[in-house]
Amino acid sequence: GAVVSQHPSWVICKSGTSVKIECRSLDFQATTMFWYRQFPKQSLMLMATSNEGSKATYEQGVEKDKFLINHASLTLSTLTVTSAHPEDSSFYICSARELRREGHYEQYFGPGTRLTVT
Amino acid sequence: AQTVTQSQPEMSVQEAETVTLSCTYDTSESDYYLFWYKQPPSRQMILVIRQEAYKQQNATENRFSVNFQKAAKSFSLKISDSQLGDAAMYFCAYRRLWVNRDDKIIFGKGTRLHILP
Repeated sequence: GAVVSQHPSWVICKSGTSVKIECRSLDFQATTMFWYRQFPKQSLMLMATSNEGSKATYEQGVEKDKFLINHASLTLSTLTVTSAHPEDSSFYICSARELRREGHYEQYFGPGTRLTVT
Repeated sequence: AQTVTQSQPEMSVQEAETVTLSCTYDTSESDYYLFWYKQPPSRQMILVIRQEAYKQQNATENRFSVNFQKAAKSFSLKISDSQLGDAAMYFCAYRRLWVNRDDKIIFGKGTRLHILP
């Protein structure tokens, strides 16, 4: 199956700094990528939907100025957590959608990035 | 709006036994996909099985099978001959069949499955 990579897999940053997480589709073009946040023992919470060349669509309650998403190419989307605080510590998962034929697609998940803000 | 409900937060099963995880959903659509995803301790999401709502036959993948009851909006996962590697969080999920640009997967809250040796 198709592969989605994330980098870094784990990052520690100091409070007040910004951190960027990359999500890449390795062997397919992803017109749409999704960013999720997951707290321990909880489900995935969709943060935003990112379409290549367009502004991301954020879910209600997600601060767009804090979580900057850029989908500059068909294989790369980035999530930047700006002015990180300890409450931003979480597990972030990206997912990429591959359009197979009109209206039908497959969605693949990256391995996730653990963010710890000290 | 579509919803997915998993009413069993945790379950345990003896190794080599069979276990069934429950899932119900709500939608007004007639065509859609249902999924079971596995998230082991590594936290990588793994697609276990998929069911197209327009198919009457229940999906099967080796030891994993589903019981899809469309009228009841029920979608349970049966794991036969449970193995230690099956220990994970399992998420039931829903998605529309015909996708619009911003269509998204709806996840349940998950069921943590423990395998007892």
